[in-house]
Amino acid sequence: EIELTQSPGTLSLSLGERATLSCRASQTIRSSSLAWYQQKPGQAPRLLIFDASSGATGNPERFSGSGSGTDYTLTISRLEPEDFAVYYCHHYGNSHVFGGGTKVEMK
Amino acid sequence: VQLVQSGAEVKNPGASVKVSCKASAYTFTAFHIHWVRQAPGQGLEWMGWINPNTGGTNSAQKFQDRVAMTRDTSITTAFMELTGLKSDDTAVYFCARLGHDNKLVGLDYWGQGTLVTVSS
Repeated sequence: EIELTQSPGTLSLSLGERATLSCRASQTIRSSSLAWYQQKPGQAPRLLIFDASSGATGNPERFSGSGSGTDYTLTISRLEPEDFAVYYCHHYGNSHVFGGGTKVEMK
Repeated sequence: VQLVQSGAEVKNPGASVKVSCKASAYTFTAFHIHWVRQAPGQGLEWMGWINPNTGGTNSAQKFQDRVAMTRDTSITTAFMELTGLKSDDTAVYFCARLGHDNKLVGLDYWGQGTLVTVSS
């Protein structure tokens, strides 16, 4: 069973800075079936990226995903005030699992 | 597309809870519904899915003997029942649709969440 490890646990950055979030799988993920979600307090998660690098409809272009095999990255090119939130990676397909999350907080 | 869940529940330890998830504005039987929970201050935990077309289900090993996922296609609603509740089952329970467009695209629509509190 695949496990996902996200790092860092917390990322402290300023407005306009670049955020780089990591998600490492315990085994190779086939077909790049890896998604990223953003969650704000009191809200349901929102799909940002699917297929490791495809942007979900309606999201700003500053969110991008990359990676393959066991190592995946979510990049936020320039942080806006509304981007401070918790981000989760998710492997979907024959099995499903979430990473532990990375909190992006304002420095 | 909308998924609307039932309201908050308070249950005693050992009891069961059944959460509903009403789907609208899409073909209910064409997309799997997944259940995900989140304990207070914690991360997301995948519980299982149901295929609304066939009624087939799959759940995480941790929940296999305690969770039942069903659906009623006549009212486009999915249900998740968790039995033998313990205090650490206190969480917000989400339903979510697994999107697809020739290939899977992740959980693209989510319900608003249902808080289940287990306390004596």
